[in-house]
Amino acid sequence: DQQVKQNSPSLSVQEGRISILNCDYTNSMFDYFLWYKKYPAEGPTFLISISSIKDKNEDGRFTVFLNKSAKHLSLHIVPSQPGDSAVYFCAASALRTSGTYKYIFGTGTRLKVLA
Amino acid sequence: EADIYQTPRYLVIGTGKKITLECSQTMGHDKMYWYQQDPGMELHLIHYSYGVNSTEKGDLSSESTVSRIRTEHFPLTLESARPSHTSQYLCASSAQENNEQFFGPGTRLTVL
Repeated sequence: DQQVKQNSPSLSVQEGRISILNCDYTNSMFDYFLWYKKYPAEGPTFLISISSIKDKNEDGRFTVFLNKSAKHLSLHIVPSQPGDSAVYFCAASALRTSGTYKYIFGTGTRLKVLA
Repeated sequence: EADIYQTPRYLVIGTGKKITLECSQTMGHDKMYWYQQDPGMELHLIHYSYGVNSTEKGDLSSESTVSRIRTEHFPLTLESARPSHTSQYLCASSAQENNEQFFGPGTRLTVL
């Protein structure tokens, strides 16, 4: 039972256009969301995060939107660049009953930016 | 650039062998994690540690074991490797529990 879902395994976008990557979650207890980017043969690198008390966070070309009522978040990249081609993972964290935090990752979306 | 290292990067080994995957970080992070990822699948947490001499099992059951004798070092051991252990193993660390995690490059393990 996947609590964090990235329903699009891949996405192709023309250079200069907007890339929109989507993520849905089922657990309303998630209170912190993150996006990671992963290049082949490398570990994921942190990109941007958002707390559940916000609905938008922006960092340069990257903006994450959170819609709590829809349990949906999205990552917007504008303008998209060929170097953005990678796999993007959405992750969510929630406080466990033990008092520790638990991270759940999605399956990733492969973004290809065409020159 | 995150200072977290994993060795080896690739390992092909026969069934029944004992292996240790190394992970070290130079950021002084107390929190360290091991994830397992199969191609096209999500990362699954298999072990975590909140400091020296602290280790806990993650959400995905794993036959591997870990130790945390030093802050910077979090090795993962498989006593007897099996083909079902073939996967990518990613180590990560974070300064605080609910902060972003920094990942190592991963070890791709193949057990024949």
